[in-house]
Amino acid sequence: KAGVTQTPRYLIKTRGQQVTLSCSPISGHRSVSWYQQTPGQGLQFLFEYFSETQRNKGNFPGRFSGRQFSNSRSEMNVSTLELGDSALYLCASSLDRSFLSYNEQFFGPGTRLTVL
Amino acid sequence: QQPVQSPQAVILREGEDAVINCSSSKALYSVHWYRQKHGEAPVFLMILLKGGEQKGHEKISASFNEKKQQSSLYLTASQLSYSGTYFCGTEGGGTSYGKLTFGQGTILTVHP
Repeated sequence: KAGVTQTPRYLIKTRGQQVTLSCSPISGHRSVSWYQQTPGQGLQFLFEYFSETQRNKGNFPGRFSGRQFSNSRSEMNVSTLELGDSALYLCASSLDRSFLSYNEQFFGPGTRLTVL
Repeated sequence: QQPVQSPQAVILREGEDAVINCSSSKALYSVHWYRQKHGEAPVFLMILLKGGEQKGHEKISASFNEKKQQSSLYLTASQLSYSGTYFCGTEGGGTSYGKLTFGQGTILTVHP
């Protein structure tokens, strides 16, 4: 079974630009979560989508947004990039969000974003 | 609120054991454990649910004390491949379901 895939793997942008990152979950997984990883702040939750609906959102400014398509693929967008947005952006997919079910998340390789 | 992991770093020789702890100030629905090697994505190790159920790799064991909101990961007979940074991710119930809050990580180094 193919794992979570993310594109692109590396990205260099300049301040003020916007960027769109893509995530394809494991086949059959309906939940996609996005995380930002930096040396200083660690792994931080951005948002989670399930069946095309955002179910949870972390404490990030509105410049960070996302969406999920009917095939469960997800994109996240960062507008007006700042230097501090440089990070590894990870997406993770899980099978189900039913209460009392296992909800382990499987991570993709990440997109390394560098903002100059 | 971010869970607290201890210790921050551990150095072992092959065959030695280690325990990594994760403590939260909030009521938890589940605890997830991951290992991340440098330059790679976090790899799922174990999930422990409120109520005692758990699922994960056969060679990894963990515990979840619901009353204390604490979890421990037990690494026995360590191998070189165990080296990496271990993260616990905690998941609350209600509206927090599906949102993992990660600890700062524990760096484990295994030497021959």
